[in-house]
Amino acid sequence: GQNIDQPTEMTATEGAIVQINCTYQTSGFNGLFWYQQHAGEAPTFLSYNVLDGLEEKGRFSSFLSRSKGYSYLLLKELQMKDSASYLCAVPFNYGGSQGNLIFGKGTKLSVKP
Amino acid sequence: DTGVSQDPRHKITKRGQNVTFRCDPISEHNRLYWYRQTLGQGPEFLTYFQNEAQLEKSRLLSDRFSAERPKGSFSTLEIQRTEQGDSAMYLCASSPVSGPDYNEQFFGPGTRLTVL
Repeated sequence: GQNIDQPTEMTATEGAIVQINCTYQTSGFNGLFWYQQHAGEAPTFLSYNVLDGLEEKGRFSSFLSRSKGYSYLLLKELQMKDSASYLCAVPFNYGGSQGNLIFGKGTKLSVKP
Repeated sequence: DTGVSQDPRHKITKRGQNVTFRCDPISEHNRLYWYRQTLGQGPEFLTYFQNEAQLEKSRLLSDRFSAERPKGSFSTLEIQRTEQGDSAMYLCASSPVSGPDYNEQFFGPGTRLTVL
């Protein structure tokens, strides 16, 4: 089966750096996604990691360790607009190809002035 | 590219009524997914189409729920005899089967259902 765990809530200060962790258990691995979701809106894609290591994209970076079943999303130079839920997700494995996403419950990040 | 669209955006209905939602995916996307999301939770998978074929259905999809994608383009999700527990945001997503974006699912704005 598949299971994803991430903290429920986090608070950080504008301009700071925050790291949101995600641990997962999957039968087969087809990569890991991070999505951002503002309240009342649809999730929007942030990153996709399939190989170990850190991938940087502007203020956001995502890290993956397949051996540890662990990922994190790093947000730098926090802005008020970064207040949102951050969802960790892995694709269900259909014989090696990707299917639907299995999401964690999301981490609600509050950025304070 | 107009993105994934969903209609209606909001639906209020009385318990026991039937409701139908529509999703129009990005035009060249073969794969289409329906998810349900309740407050404080991540989206939960309901069903998945590749072209017009429904390839997978979650155990969450009781026999009151049915989904179709008759021509491999838009999809509909119908809930019969709605219950208060069906109140949620219903999200549709689509993805291509190849190309640089094939790993990414693009989500629509969702339909928020309230069952009174």
